[in-house]
Amino acid sequence: SQKIEQNSEALNIQEGKTATLTCNYTNYSPAYLQWYRQDPGRGPVFLLLIRENEKEKRKERLKVTFDTTLKQSLFHITASQPADSATYLCALMTTDSWGKFQFGAGTQVVVTP
Amino acid sequence: DTAVSQTPKYLVTQMGNDKSIKCEQNLGHDTMYWYKQDSKKFLKIMFSYNNKELIINETVPNRFSPKSPDKAHLNLHINSLELGDSAVYFCASSPQTSGRGTGELFFGEGSRLTVL
Repeated sequence: SQKIEQNSEALNIQEGKTATLTCNYTNYSPAYLQWYRQDPGRGPVFLLLIRENEKEKRKERLKVTFDTTLKQSLFHITASQPADSATYLCALMTTDSWGKFQFGAGTQVVVTP
Repeated sequence: DTAVSQTPKYLVTQMGNDKSIKCEQNLGHDTMYWYKQDSKKFLKIMFSYNNKELIINETVPNRFSPKSPDKAHLNLHINSLELGDSAVYFCASSPQTSGRGTGELFFGEGSRLTVL
């Protein structure tokens, strides 16, 4: 069955360092991969999308990579700040199921001053 | 202005009752969704409507019935509530219905349903 795995353990990181999160998937050939941020008691907020033919995407301090051979996406937050503390979710979708994103359970990031 | 708004934010009810959650978006999007987030934080798609037409209907008990009176509204009605229905239900909308664009989902703040 299709599986999306994100590290369930919280990532504790010091302010100014780079946080790196992983999203691994099995039995899946996603064409699109998105990353969202979710704060406690709030809805997820879209951050970035990367397509299967793209290796890397950047937006301000965020960087996403997509390796379809390893079946993995990495999400980096550079120069992390306490305000970056949240849960980050990856979501995958195939070409023939537009809109039907499947989400991982998310990884919590805690940035300490 | 709230882009995707859901009501109520909290809902506590007894098993066997029927309840509804309402969702409205003022973004002009054609596609709306209902997602369920369980205690393990997995977000699972339940339904999707495009311009009032049902386009995604996941394996959801037929006690759950979505209704879209117009493309700006998507409501969720749940009959005969069970303990396992306790979760946070998120409404979302998206401007795209095809492979163009980012497929970005705009989520509401969620409706926390507790069934006792």
